[in-house]
Amino acid sequence: NAGVMQNPRHLVRRRGQEARLRCSPMKGHSHVYWYRQLPEEGLKFMVYLQKENIIDESGMPKERFSAEFPKEGPSILRIQQVVRGDSAAYFCASSPGGQRELFFGEGSRLTVL
Amino acid sequence: KQEVTQIPAALSVPEGENLVLNCSFTDSAIYNLQWFRQDPGKGLTSLLLIQSSQREQTSGRLNASLDKSSGRSTLYIAASQPGDSATYLCAVRGRRVSEKLVFGKGTKLTVNP
Repeated sequence: NAGVMQNPRHLVRRRGQEARLRCSPMKGHSHVYWYRQLPEEGLKFMVYLQKENIIDESGMPKERFSAEFPKEGPSILRIQQVVRGDSAAYFCASSPGGQRELFFGEGSRLTVL
Repeated sequence: KQEVTQIPAALSVPEGENLVLNCSFTDSAIYNLQWFRQDPGKGLTSLLLIQSSQREQTSGRLNASLDKSSGRSTLYIAASQPGDSATYLCAVRGRRVSEKLVFGKGTKLTVNP
């Protein structure tokens, strides 16, 4: 059973470009969480999704950031018009739901030049 | 709003020592608490999960305790090894089904040979 798969593992963008980060949850998991980790900081919650629904986006910046988890395919975290402050590691976690254990991917490291 | 604090922020010990990492949280109404390990540039590996009804969990040389009423958890590592060097993260989850994990900033552990 493959773990949570994130890609790309590393992404470099120039200011103003768009970044798309993908997360494929573990088999059988329909709940996905996105977290952001700034250098020397802990993980900060961004958004919680179930298939085709956003459950909690209280940690997502109001502008430029969006997330989806379609019926088919991976969850996507999209950052439009990136700025240097968006440089961070973005982690995805999945669970079967019902407050069961979360399993994390290896993260996607975004660098904005 | 739940806040998680980990003390110390960094710890350096000689190989073979037993050590304790501390985690405190402000809202005792939690569903569970999880300890993770993060290696530099890597994802999170779940070490131990303690449900709110439990007092402790053990896995090999690791033992985690939970005192929900006082808002504290400790991670005890016995006979530390250089391979234990990593950042250890504590995270708590609230009781609502939609609750996300709230993380501390972590303790960076270095075990010197």
